[in-house]
Amino acid sequence: GDSVTQMEGPVTLSEEAFLTINCTYTATGYPSLFWYVQYPGEGLQLLLKATKADDKGSNKGFEATYRKETTSFHLEKGSVQVSDSAVYFCALRGNTPLVFGKGTRLSVIA
Amino acid sequence: KAGVTQTPRYLIKTRGQQVTLSCSPISGHRSVSWYQQTPGQGLQFLFEYFSETQRNKGNFPGRFSGRQFSNSRSEMNVSTLELGDSALYLCASSLSGQRVGGNEQFFGPGTRLTVL
Repeated sequence: GDSVTQMEGPVTLSEEAFLTINCTYTATGYPSLFWYVQYPGEGLQLLLKATKADDKGSNKGFEATYRKETTSFHLEKGSVQVSDSAVYFCALRGNTPLVFGKGTRLSVIA
Repeated sequence: KAGVTQTPRYLIKTRGQQVTLSCSPISGHRSVSWYQQTPGQGLQFLFEYFSETQRNKGNFPGRFSGRQFSNSRSEMNVSTLELGDSALYLCASSLSGQRVGGNEQFFGPGTRLTVL
């Protein structure tokens, strides 16, 4: 079945550091890909999405490119802030309901 | 526009009891999906309702059930609670449901259920 694998956390970075969170997927067909973010005590918020190969999703300085050849959708940000501290989930939707990765906890220290 | 609301936010029950959680979707959204979030299993899909009909169901025992009303509000019920049912239960709504590619789901804050 469809699945998502993302890098284990936690990830701890200093403010203004570069962020990469790796995400790879297994799916039949052409799934849509998503990154969600969960702040403490809250539900999930959609951060960005891409619906076809080579699409780049971007929002709030975060970017991810849908790479069908490597089945990847890595999340990047050039300069993280303390306010980016949260748990990040990679997800896909193909012929099934949303399938999530395990989540990566990011802590940014000043 | 108001977001997805879930009630109650916190709940404590004992083993063997049953519980009902409620979700009010964003106005105009006809699809409601439910997820269970635990530290061990992560986010797992429970079921999806669209226009009062269950369209998809995840791999959970029959103790977990749900329904959707004509105003799109949804409830999920867990009977004969077990310790392992302790989790954050998240509800998400969308306009057209999970069959539409790229269709965004908007999540509520969740109900934190603790089973003692």
